[in-house]
Amino acid sequence: QVQLVQSGAEVKKPGASVKVSCKASGYTFSGYTLHWVRQAPGQRLEWMGWINAGNANTKYSQKFQGRVTITRDTSASTAYMELSSLISEDTAIYYCARGQGFDPWGQGTLVTVSS
Amino acid sequence: DIQMTQSPSSLSASVGDRVTITCQASQDINNYLNWYQQKPGKAPKPLIYDVSNLETGVPSRFSGSGSGTDFTLTISSLQPEDIATYYCQQYDNFPLTFGGGTKVEI
Repeated sequence: QVQLVQSGAEVKKPGASVKVSCKASGYTFSGYTLHWVRQAPGQRLEWMGWINAGNANTKYSQKFQGRVTITRDTSASTAYMELSSLISEDTAIYYCARGQGFDPWGQGTLVTVSS
Repeated sequence: DIQMTQSPSSLSASVGDRVTITCQASQDINNYLNWYQQKPGKAPKPLIYDVSNLETGVPSRFSGSGSGTDFTLTISSLQPEDIATYYCQQYDNFPLTFGGGTKVEI
């Protein structure tokens, strides 16, 4: 079945970068976009950006422009989201989700930013 | 950015009750509106796409309606397994944006 499996939890210090992976299976990876969404404690879901897994075109939320980079490796059917210059407010669960319908979602990756 | 405002932020209802959640967009979103269900500790799950179309496997007690800027998610007969937080989301304009969520309790 279609599945997105994300990398494990991370603990980072302020100023560091984090790279989260999202491995797809059960469908043709290059045929869909992949979104990245985060959910900080007690906050609403927040869209960060997406990548067209076929041609690697990306679109980022202005809020994260300059700090987020989304890439993909078609040979590994995996997308990556790297967020730099981390601050405590970046502590959140980060999700990937497939296509316009956001279906399915990965299981989420908790990123904790703490000194 | 398009602001998505949900109400109420939380509600408590009894099993069998009809539950209605509203979602208002700050501008016309051309019916590019999805709904998601999120249970505690889990990723969101797609529920309804394009305002009123149920995802495969979603019980028929869920329905969506609306147009322009005002949308509604209805649970016709609340069941214990429907305890969750529900989010609307627009995909008419970047950045894609979500409502603040409605927590449904029994």
